[in-house]
Amino acid sequence: DQQVKQNSPSLSVQEGRISILNCDYTNSMFDYFLWYKKYPAEGPTFLISISSIKDKNEDGRFTVFLNKSAKHLSLHIVPSQPGDSAVYFCAARPGGGSNYKLTFGKGTLLTVNP
Amino acid sequence: GAGVSQSPSNKVTEKGKDVELRCDPISGHTALYWYRQSLGQGLEFLIYFQGNSAPDKSGLPSDRFSAERTGGSVSTLTIQRTQQEDSAVYLCASSLGGQGAGNTIYFGEGSWLTVV
Repeated sequence: DQQVKQNSPSLSVQEGRISILNCDYTNSMFDYFLWYKKYPAEGPTFLISISSIKDKNEDGRFTVFLNKSAKHLSLHIVPSQPGDSAVYFCAARPGGGSNYKLTFGKGTLLTVNP
Repeated sequence: GAGVSQSPSNKVTEKGKDVELRCDPISGHTALYWYRQSLGQGLEFLIYFQGNSAPDKSGLPSDRFSAERTGGSVSTLTIQRTQQEDSAVYLCASSLGGQGAGNTIYFGEGSWLTVV
């Protein structure tokens, strides 16, 4: 049973436009959410995170939105650049004693076209 | 070291053979994790170390899988009698502490294992 779902395997956008990557989760024990970016033949790198006590976190061109009631989060990239082309993984961790354990979605391949 | 280092980067092995994958975490990081990514799947948690002990081994798929960590640093993931379904990228990660929302987990580049 997938607890973190990224329903779009791929997304293609034009350079300069907004990229919106979506993620849904089912486990109500999750209270911290992260986005990782992965280039081919490299490990995932941390991009941005959000705690469940917030509904928005912004870092430069990247903003993550959290809708707890809908168990949905999204990553917005504005403006998108060709170097943003990568696989983006949504991840979540619970609170309490197991808060070291990340559960990942299957990833969304973002392609930003020049 | 500057980042999480894993070896080998690529390994092709015959079904039934044993393999060892090595991870050298970021210096000073007490927490170490192993994840696995099979083709078309997300990253799957395998095991978590805090220091040399493994409080959570719940993700290890079978008793053919084992891991150890020595000196609070290097970790080895061993897969005995490999099967074709073990083919995946095995990712090691480390963080400064194991718990707490602020602990960023840093991943290595992974060890690509192919069982033929």
